[in-house]
Amino acid sequence: KAGVTQTPRYLIKTRGQQVTLSCSPISGHRSVSWYQQTPGQGLQFLFEYFSETQRNKGNFPGRFSGRQFSNSRSEMNVSTLELGDSALYLCASSLGGGRGYTFGSGTRLTVV
Amino acid sequence: AQTVTQSQPEMSVQEAETVTLSCTYDTSESDYYLFWYKQPPSRQMILVIRQEAYKQQNATENRFSVNFQKAAKSFSLKISDSQLGDAAMYFCAYRREIKAAGNKLTFGGGTRVLVKP
Repeated sequence: KAGVTQTPRYLIKTRGQQVTLSCSPISGHRSVSWYQQTPGQGLQFLFEYFSETQRNKGNFPGRFSGRQFSNSRSEMNVSTLELGDSALYLCASSLGGGRGYTFGSGTRLTVV
Repeated sequence: AQTVTQSQPEMSVQEAETVTLSCTYDTSESDYYLFWYKQPPSRQMILVIRQEAYKQQNATENRFSVNFQKAAKSFSLKISDSQLGDAAMYFCAYRREIKAAGNKLTFGGGTRVLVKP
């Protein structure tokens, strides 16, 4: 059974640019959540999508957005990148109901 | 808002020995889920163990077990017979049981476990 796939693994962008990260969940999982991990702030929830609808959103500026497609694949977009957006972005998929979450290996974003 | 606290930034354990990681959380809810995740250098978060708050029995997965004290809002992880492969960051996480809350996890700051051969 394939796991959660995140692409790309590494990304270097310049301040002011925008970036799109992709997440393919485990087959059958309709919930996809995104997290930002930094040394200073730790793991913070960005948002969750379920059946193409955003169900929950963390405390991040509007520059952070996402979407989910009918096949449950999800993308997150960060516009007007800032140095502070440098982080590991993790995606997790779930069947729901507190049964646990399967994470991808993350995308390491560096903003220069 | 719920918060999760891991008071030990780093723990060191000798191979084959036992180590216990602490986690406390703050919530006003009675139904929720608690998790321990392991993050090795490969970066992927791996589920170690989960606990449903309505279950009094402590969860166990092979060498990993928890001590869940609901009244004290404490959820510690015990790693028995530690192995070199157990070296990683360990995160405690909380999820509300309410369906409308979705699948948002609230994480603690993490505890780095070092295993000495």
